[in-house]
Amino acid sequence: EDQVTQSPEALRLQEGESSSLNCSYTVSGLRGLFWYRQDPGKGPEFLFTLYSAGEEKEKERLKATLTKKESFLHITAPKPEDSATYLCAVHPYSGGGADGLTFGKGTHLIIQP
Amino acid sequence: KAGVTQTPRYLIKTRGQQVTLSCSPISGHRSVSWYQQTPGQGLQFLFEYFSETQRNKGNFPGRFSGRQFSNSRSEMNVSTLELGDSALYLCASSLGTSGGEQYFGPGTRLTVT
Repeated sequence: EDQVTQSPEALRLQEGESSSLNCSYTVSGLRGLFWYRQDPGKGPEFLFTLYSAGEEKEKERLKATLTKKESFLHITAPKPEDSATYLCAVHPYSGGGADGLTFGKGTHLIIQP
Repeated sequence: KAGVTQTPRYLIKTRGQQVTLSCSPISGHRSVSWYQQTPGQGLQFLFEYFSETQRNKGNFPGRFSGRQFSNSRSEMNVSTLELGDSALYLCASSLGTSGGEQYFGPGTRLTVT
C-alpha cells in the first residue's frame, strides 16, 4: 500500500530561522512527487514536482529535493507569509490501485515575526 | 488564465439527502480529479475523469459518484448523506493523466447535519 509520512506535524520558527520539512514515502513505483502549500480555507497551491532521485527545484525561499525514499522541503530565511500547511503527495504507477495522488497529513508551519 | 472554480463554496445538508457539486477546470485541461479533505484523514482521492470517462476510483462507497461533460466540466454526487461525509471537497485539474501537476480549486465545504 502506498504511504506518505510527513514530519514534523507542526513547526514554529522565528522569522529568518531556516529549517527543513520531511516527506518519506513508500510506493511500488513513483511517477512523481509533489509539494503543495495550503492556506486556511483554500485549496492546495502547487509548488514543485520532482520525478527522479537527485532532482532539486527552487522557488524563492523554498527548495525541494528528492531521494529514493524521501523528499525535503528546505525553507531559507522564512518570512511570516510563508506560514501555511505544506503537503507532500506522490503519484504512484497504477498497480490496480487508485492511481490518484496519495497525500501526507501535512506540516503546519508557523513563522513568528 | 482563470483557475479551477467550484460551486457552491458552502453547503449544508441533512442526513439522508443527496448533493451535487460542480467543478470547472482550467481551460485546456482535460483531466479532473476529486478529493475529500477531513481533519482526521487528510486529503483522500475519490476519482478521476478524463475525456468523459472515469479512469480511476479511490476507496469510497458507491454513494460517491461523478461524471464529466464534453467541455471537461465535472460534477460529483453524494447520495444518502451521512454525518461522516462532512468535509471539504476539492477538485483538481491537469492537462493529462500521466503524472503531471494537478491544480486545485478552492473547494466546497459540505456540512451534513
